[in-house]
Order: sequence, then structure tokens, then C-alpha cells
Amino acid sequence: DVKVTQSSRYLVKRTGEKVFLECVQDMDHENMFWYRQDPGLGLRLIYFSYDVKMKEKGDIPEGYSVSREKKERFSLILESASTNQTSMYLCASSPLLLQGKNTEAFFGQGTRLTVV
Amino acid sequence: AQSVTQLGSHVSVSEGALVLLRCNYSSSVPPYLFWYVQYPNQGLQLLLKYTSAATLVKGINGFEAEFKKSETSFHLTKPSAHMSDAAEYFCAVRPFSGGYNKLIFGAGTRLAVHP
Repeated sequence: DVKVTQSSRYLVKRTGEKVFLECVQDMDHENMFWYRQDPGLGLRLIYFSYDVKMKEKGDIPEGYSVSREKKERFSLILESASTNQTSMYLCASSPLLLQGKNTEAFFGQGTRLTVV
Repeated sequence: AQSVTQLGSHVSVSEGALVLLRCNYSSSVPPYLFWYVQYPNQGLQLLLKYTSAATLVKGINGFEAEFKKSETSFHLTKPSAHMSDAAEYFCAVRPFSGGYNKLIFGAGTRLAVHP
């Protein structure tokens, strides 16, 4: 089974702190994603990566950065945490899209971050 | 840009009743389509996906979805609800082109099942 593991289930951080959310996948997937989930808004893409050291902005990248130094690990960084970044963060991975093959994304358990 | 609309943020059914969760997508070219389920304090789990091999797709836990190109819809159904089906359900699309498998999600529908 594909496993996507997020390092923390729950985090409480103070405003202004630098926060690291870690995600590791064990299926050698090329693509990795960070989503943010808020009630009534569904999942919104923050950043994604399609290869080591490669990254692309998603729909809501402001206030976030990412790092992918190894294929299996994708980190989300909140440079200076703010209360409006209190949310559920979900990491996902997927294989590279192949022509005609519909590949889904596999999700971690989520990290519920509270910024106080 | 691709978008997904899920009609009804909350749906409530009785145990044993039909479950119908609605999803419409916006695209002139049918995208790849998915339904995910999220149980409380969990990540997302794939229920089913549209593969273009058949318009009626069967998934896990007795759920199925029908792709209707003319209506740009991919509604999720289950003939008889069970208490364990209470969860949040997300419809997602992946654009037909592009290699990144980026999923675009709807806002979600929370399903409540009453005895």
C-alpha cells in the first residue's frame, strides 16, 4: 500500500514562529502536493513539486514556501506563522501522469495546525 | 480554468435511504474525475475514479458514480445508507492535459446518516 506520512497530527505554534510541516511518501512518486483544507472551501493547493528541487505555486502560495531535497520528502514552511494560517494541512503524492492513465493522488492523515 | 461544484454542503439521510451527492464540473473536454471520502480527523481516501472505460463507475463501500457528459456531472450514489457512511465527501477533477496530476477539489459535502 502507498503510504504518505505527515510528521505531526496536531501542532500549536505562536504567531511569528517559523513552522515546518514534513511529508514523506514511500512509493517513489514523482509528484507531491500540499493542500490546505478549510470548512466550506474544500482543499486548496498551496504548492506542488514534480521532481526533486522543482516546485510550482498553487492557488494560495502566499506566506508559504516548500522544499524538496529528496524525492520522498516534501516540506511545507510557514515563514512567519499567522493566525489566518490555522487550518488542516494535507500532503499528497501521485505518480507521473501517463498518457491515457488516470492516476489518483494519495493523501496523508493531515496536520491540524493552530496558530495562537 | 477548471472548477468543480458540489451542490449542498450538508446532506442528511436516514439509515437505509438512498444517498445522492451531486458534482458538476466545468470543462469542454471531460477531465479525469474522482470522489474522495474523509472520515473525522483523517486524510482523504479514494472512493472511485472515472477512467473513461465505462460511464458507471463502482467504488468501495457500495458507492458508485455515473459520468454524464451532456450534463457535465459525476454524481455519487449509494442505494442504502449506513451509519458508517457519515463523513465528508469531495469531488475532484484533474485537467485532461498537463503532467502534474494536479487535482482541483469541490468544497465538499458533509453526509449525516440518522437512525
